[in-house]
Amino acid sequence: DGGITQSPKYLFRKEGQNVTLSCEQNLNHDAMYWYRQDPGQGLRLIYYSQIVNDFQKGDIAEGYSVSREKKESFPLTVTSAQKNPTAFYLCATEGPLQETQYFGPGTRLLVL
Amino acid sequence: SQKIEQNSEALNIQEGKTATLTCNYTNYSPAYLQWYRQDPGRGPVFLLLIRENEKEKRKERLKVTFDTTLKQSLFHITASQPADSATYLCALDENGGFKTIFGAGTRLFVKA
Repeated sequence: DGGITQSPKYLFRKEGQNVTLSCEQNLNHDAMYWYRQDPGQGLRLIYYSQIVNDFQKGDIAEGYSVSREKKESFPLTVTSAQKNPTAFYLCATEGPLQETQYFGPGTRLLVL
Repeated sequence: SQKIEQNSEALNIQEGKTATLTCNYTNYSPAYLQWYRQDPGRGPVFLLLIRENEKEKRKERLKVTFDTTLKQSLFHITASQPADSATYLCALDENGGFKTIFGAGTRLFVKA
């Protein structure tokens, strides 16, 4: 898991509720990513950020939002517009060569 | 359409044998391809990266090949051990862009 922390490990969301997943890194990497993982599927990119105060939508950004106010932090909010949020969420950073990705331990989001 | 495919069926092998996992892709021209290991409930961990101009790369008991003509990478674990049991993901860069595309992974079980 290196220098990337994600919290909480498990998160329960009620219908209509927004929830925020935390991702913090001490690797001094500029690039950060959020992925969603569902059983039997590859990691799908939600949002990514190449630098502070800038971020781009990935392939499945609808129903999610992010911010990048600090280099170390890239929180992901799952909004009530995301109708099927149950999944394993992974945060990653990318090294200076922009090749290898380093992943956090993940947050499992469940809907009550 | 663009696809990255890994064998969805689990691979079961006996301890001491060589495990071979396959990654095929279509409609990509990656500059490099990566392999990651993922244990249940945890984030993926980087194992090896192989570039388009490299045919083979080794690291301890791991060997990766990359055939850009066949659009295929093979991942070998020699003298496999029960501790090698995990899901192995292949990933490639999206034509030099900022995105990394991940396969769904192949689950490997090594029996003692």
